[in-house]
Amino acid sequence: NAGVTQTPKFRVLKTGQSMTLLCAQDMNHEYMYWYRQDPGMGLRLIHYSVGEGTTAKGEVPDGYNVSRLKKQNFLLGLESAAPSQTSVYFCASRPWDLDGEQYFGPGTRLTVT
Amino acid sequence: GQQLNQSPQSMFIQEGEDVSMNCTSSSIFNTWLWYKQDPGEGPVLLIALYKAGELTSNGRLTAQFGITRKDSFLNISASIPSDVGIYFCAGRERGGYQKVTFGIGTKLQVIP
Repeated sequence: NAGVTQTPKFRVLKTGQSMTLLCAQDMNHEYMYWYRQDPGMGLRLIHYSVGEGTTAKGEVPDGYNVSRLKKQNFLLGLESAAPSQTSVYFCASRPWDLDGEQYFGPGTRLTVT
Repeated sequence: GQQLNQSPQSMFIQEGEDVSMNCTSSSIFNTWLWYKQDPGEGPVLLIALYKAGELTSNGRLTAQFGITRKDSFLNISASIPSDVGIYFCAGRERGGYQKVTFGIGTKLQVIP
């Protein structure tokens, strides 16, 4: 049982380049989330999804897009990367029930030069 | 928006010592959560608290949901080297997408 997996684990982009981060979960969870983690700050929510085909904005959505075409996958896209998007990105998923908690992936470290 | 104040931000302790860290919020939460993050890994849930006043243990870890619903603490007893990591508190709201707000973390280092 893999839980939540993220690819790639590391990536370096030049300013203006685009990329897609993939999150996959095998726990049949309804909710999925993308967070970014920066030094001295807590995890901040970028976008989330409450089910297949649905997405919504979190606290810091600007510069990112997401898609959830399949229940098990949640993609985070950067159309034109900026140095301010240098961060560690975490995906999480959780089940529908009220007391179900989030399970996190191992993270993707992105550097934009 | 909601803010969590987590303290201390870092601590060095001797192996075998007890550790205490806490979080306070400007508003109430329905659930308090404590996570641990090892270097290069994602956060892992340690303890979840669902009721005001609740005291829950998980091995050497004990956490409490404050009676005002605006605070929580985590204690680690008899620390060992593998306790090293960053500990995050988080508060979860009920309703909507059940937003989770995270503290900035407490970095714990254990001196053998």
